[in-house]
Amino acid sequence: AQSVTQLDSQVPVFEEAPVELRCNYSSSVSVYLFWYVQYPNQGLQLLLKYLSGSTLVKGINGFEAEFNKSQTSFHLRKPSVHISDTAEYFCAVSAETSYDKVIFGPGTSLSVIP
Amino acid sequence: ETGVTQTPRHLVMGMTNKKSLKCEQHLGHNAMYWYKQSAKKPLELMFVYSLEERVENNSVPSRFSPECPNSSHLFLHLHTLQPEDSALYLCASSTRGWVGELFFGEGSRLTVL
Repeated sequence: AQSVTQLDSQVPVFEEAPVELRCNYSSSVSVYLFWYVQYPNQGLQLLLKYLSGSTLVKGINGFEAEFNKSQTSFHLRKPSVHISDTAEYFCAVSAETSYDKVIFGPGTSLSVIP
Repeated sequence: ETGVTQTPRHLVMGMTNKKSLKCEQHLGHNAMYWYKQSAKKPLELMFVYSLEERVENNSVPSRFSPECPNSSHLFLHLHTLQPEDSALYLCASSTRGWVGELFFGEGSRLTVL
């Protein structure tokens, strides 16, 4: 079975500062990795995904993430955040053998301070 | 607008009521999902339907009963719920083979009194 850990439940950051949201996963098989964002009163939206190939993945809204197999991590980064990035961010994983079953982490609440 | 519409957006019900949540997708997808989102907890995958057949049922209590009459519609029938079932219920859809790209609705906020 797969599991996802997001160590930081809340991350406050000043506007235009860089941010990193941490994600670690556990799996006995090869996995696919994802980051989703949930804005207030909305459903989740896919930010980016890693399936294979380059370990640095670029997504929407200037976000990127790096897959590190040895550390079983998939941290999300943005060099300069905006107020509009305030949202809940979820790391997720699915196994290559059951890719329809997407397992989500507990989420990190990003608050951008003016 | 994600192409996945959930109704109602808010629902308050007593423990003896019977109600249903509805999800409709306009994206031509062939897989649909129910997730439960509770405060301070990870999203819980409840059910997965692929090509209108249930392929995943994560030990969900029988007071939750899903129905997928066609690839565009998904229902969650609720009866004799408990207060701890209060949560945001999210519907999602995808195309089998498009790995992990789920399209979510805005959710139905359920309160059980």
